[in-house]
Amino acid sequence: ETGVTQSPTHLIKTRGQQVTLRCSSQSGHNTVSWYQQALGQGPQFIFQYYREEENGRGNFPPRFSGLQFPNYSSELNVNALELDDSALYLCASSSPTSVQETQYFGPGTRLLVL
Amino acid sequence: SQELEQSPQSLIVQEGKNLTINCTSSKTLYGLYWYKQKYGEGLIFLMMLQKGGEEKSHEKITAKLDEKKQQSSLHITASQPSHAGIYLCGADDNNNDMRFGAGTRLTVKP
Repeated sequence: ETGVTQSPTHLIKTRGQQVTLRCSSQSGHNTVSWYQQALGQGPQFIFQYYREEENGRGNFPPRFSGLQFPNYSSELNVNALELDDSALYLCASSSPTSVQETQYFGPGTRLLVL
Repeated sequence: SQELEQSPQSLIVQEGKNLTINCTSSKTLYGLYWYKQKYGEGLIFLMMLQKGGEEKSHEKITAKLDEKKQQSSLHITASQPSHAGIYLCGADDNNNDMRFGAGTRLTVKP
């Protein structure tokens, strides 16, 4: 177990709806990254938050947004859901105490958009 | 951006056999990570390699990074059913994101 938790574990939404996914980082970690993993693919980087500020973003549209709270937990919000948003959403926490920090992943939230 | 190619895409081996998974980058790797994923679950960190020629081992799994830092291999000795899963290599782009290969699905037959 990594100490990174995510909720909910599963979610079903319909096209056009909005969704919020949550992540609690491992104790002592102040950086959270979010990834989207489609079936049969590797995770794709969405964005990273460090000390409540966005600290890097992948090739995802603005309807993917996030927040990080003072306790370093984080939310991923997706507006105007599309069918292609169906995927496993993973968050990972890390602590930039060295040049290369290891990311520890949560179990993921599986989102299905109908 | 850095592309990571993994091979093979899938692998079926008999329990007790050795196997190797490869990860090749289009650019020099600053940090190469190996993760294992059970179907539909989160990623479990295995090892991180940083220096050219570096080799690390954990139990029966050994990972190497070549001298040019553009290719890594993951070797499992005497495979067991518990080794089954999807193995993913990831690389830090030095730009606050991590790129992953598509994964190698390993099945170990008892």
